[in-house]
Amino acid sequence: NAGVTQTPKFQVLKTGQSMTLQCAQDMNHNSMYWYRQDPGMGLRLIYYSASEGTTDKGEVPNGYNVSRLNKREFSLRLESAAPSQTSVYFCASSESGSPRFFGPGTRLTVL
Amino acid sequence: GDSVTQMEGPVTLSEEAFLTINCTYTATGYPSLFWYVQYPGEGLQLLLKATKADDKGSNKGFEATYRKETTSFHLEKGSVQVSDSAVYFCALSGGSGNTGKLIFGQGTTLQVKP
Repeated sequence: NAGVTQTPKFQVLKTGQSMTLQCAQDMNHNSMYWYRQDPGMGLRLIYYSASEGTTDKGEVPNGYNVSRLNKREFSLRLESAAPSQTSVYFCASSESGSPRFFGPGTRLTVL
Repeated sequence: GDSVTQMEGPVTLSEEAFLTINCTYTATGYPSLFWYVQYPGEGLQLLLKATKADDKGSNKGFEATYRKETTSFHLEKGSVQVSDSAVYFCALSGGSGNTGKLIFGQGTTLQVKP
């Protein structure tokens, strides 16, 4: 089992560019999550998906969209990147309830 | 709203020293409490959890007891090793009925010197 995988690992964007962060899990989990991690602020929930076909906003959803493509995959899209979105992004999954497994993260820099 | 407060770091200890990282929380209802660990360059891993008052979570020599009367979930280890150097996050879920969504503290960096 690979667990939770994320691509890419690193990305540099210019302000206004768009990109999609990919996440996949091979544990047949129902719930998937996207968090961002900023220095001194812990992790903050962007969006989550309790089950295939459903998504819901978390604490900091503005500027992001998500797609639960199927049970395995949960992508995060930045339509028009801003410097405030410079962060490390983590995807996580669980069978139900709170996140159990986290991916290795994507380090995004927006210039 | 719900929140988690951790002691500020970095915490620097010598190998075999006793570790305490303080965590207090504010929540409505009856949250579950968690400690996650993040080793350098990696994602978070669940270290331990407790789901109700007076429960003790334990793993890899780490322990934390859910204290409802003091709204605390302090992390302890009797003898730390260099390999324990990492960032530790306290978190809660379910306090306001939003089960499945975690609220994290800001993280505490632990540095263990040989």
